[in-house]
Amino acid sequence: KNQVEQSPQSLIILEGKNCTLQCNYTVSPFSNLRWYKQDTGRGPVSLTIMTFSENTKSNGRYTATLDADTKQSSLHITASQLSDSASYICVVSANTNAGKSTFGDGTTLTVKP
Amino acid sequence: EAQVTQNPRYLITVTGKKLTVTCSQNMNHEYMSWYRQDPGLGLRQIYYSMNVEVTDKGDVPEGYKVSRKEKRNFPLILESPSPNQTSLYFCASSFRGFGGYGYTFGSGTRLTVV
Repeated sequence: KNQVEQSPQSLIILEGKNCTLQCNYTVSPFSNLRWYKQDTGRGPVSLTIMTFSENTKSNGRYTATLDADTKQSSLHITASQLSDSASYICVVSANTNAGKSTFGDGTTLTVKP
Repeated sequence: EAQVTQNPRYLITVTGKKLTVTCSQNMNHEYMSWYRQDPGLGLRQIYYSMNVEVTDKGDVPEGYKVSRKEKRNFPLILESPSPNQTSLYFCASSFRGFGGYGYTFGSGTRLTVV
């Protein structure tokens, strides 16, 4: 069964600090992996999309890494801001079903002043 | 502005009263999908559509119907809502399936069934 597990479930950091969120998946055969940011009560917004051949992709202060061999991804947030407080969701798609993706339960990040 | 528009944003209804949540996108996307989000459970897929007149079940389709008569619209229909369908609903669209183009999500519809 395809699964996506994210850790930690929640995280509290001080403004200005860095943090790393983890995503492990068993989805196969792998097509792509996406990270989304979801503010409370709002729709998720795409941060990065990574395919099999990509190891690292950056979007401003967000950097995602992908290790397709170990089926792990991480999202690193640099110099955190209060506006980074949100849920971060990892989503993985397989090549076998174009319509379905497997969603992680998300990591809730709280940035405190 | 490229966007996915859901209506209504908030809805309170009674058990058994049929309702429709509309979803419209202006990006000419082929793929559209509905999700529900409940505390501690993450996003779960209800139905999706790969193109006009092509729909398929997601992980939690029971109690829901959809239609895709036009490319831009993908309404979610609850024929006889029940309290366990109280949830936050999101519509999403993408250029094509497989997720490689990323999803654009709507702002959500918070549904309460009493």
